[in-house]
Amino acid sequence: GAGVSQSPRYKVTKRGQDVALRCDPISGHVSLYWYRQALGQGPEFLTYFNYEAQQDKSGLPNDRFSAERPEGSISTLTIQRTEQRDSAMYRCASTLGRTGGGTGELFFGEGSRLTVL
Amino acid sequence: GIQVEQSPPDLILQEGANSTLRCNFSDSVNNLQWFHQKPWGQLINLFYIPSGTKQNGRLSATTVATERYSLLYISSSQTTDSGVYFCAVERYNFNKFYFGSGTKLNVKP
Repeated sequence: GAGVSQSPRYKVTKRGQDVALRCDPISGHVSLYWYRQALGQGPEFLTYFNYEAQQDKSGLPNDRFSAERPEGSISTLTIQRTEQRDSAMYRCASTLGRTGGGTGELFFGEGSRLTVL
Repeated sequence: GIQVEQSPPDLILQEGANSTLRCNFSDSVNNLQWFHQKPWGQLINLFYIPSGTKQNGRLSATTVATERYSLLYISSSQTTDSGVYFCAVERYNFNKFYFGSGTKLNVKP
């Protein structure tokens, strides 16, 4: 697509429920990133993929968080047994993923705002 | 990881004034970007500037990678410039972007 697309834009859920957040990167972008942003703070890295391979998941807070990108395009971030502290804006971004000299310019989607009651 | 420090944290300007925002980083980087964000809005790309100087209208940016800093200049500020400005760096060979905590700009009419 023309830009990074995320869905749902808003999600309200009850504590203990599972949620899945979807990201469709810019067409042709190899690298895909998930970030989390709390109010008044900068985005915090969660995980990233090159094609379908998860290259780094060091930012995932605990094992309730997981992400996949099975066909190297659309990605899903899943949070199991949600807790109130999971409430935040979850942002997806993508880059061309060039090799050498950096991965390219980072473009963000509009984000998915998660509220856990 | 890499430390990214932005200053000042908060800035209040009168419309028409000029300002300089700074981003310092603690390690070698492949890339550096500046973003603008309205409250809970999308992160808008301003500059992709691993080194050198770029200009776009009233905004310009300079990155001196060897000295590990970047500057964002806003001239003749407008109320629409209000929001948070983030600096993000891609750590050399890590393909991972780290963000500063931002500069919150409020331009008053």
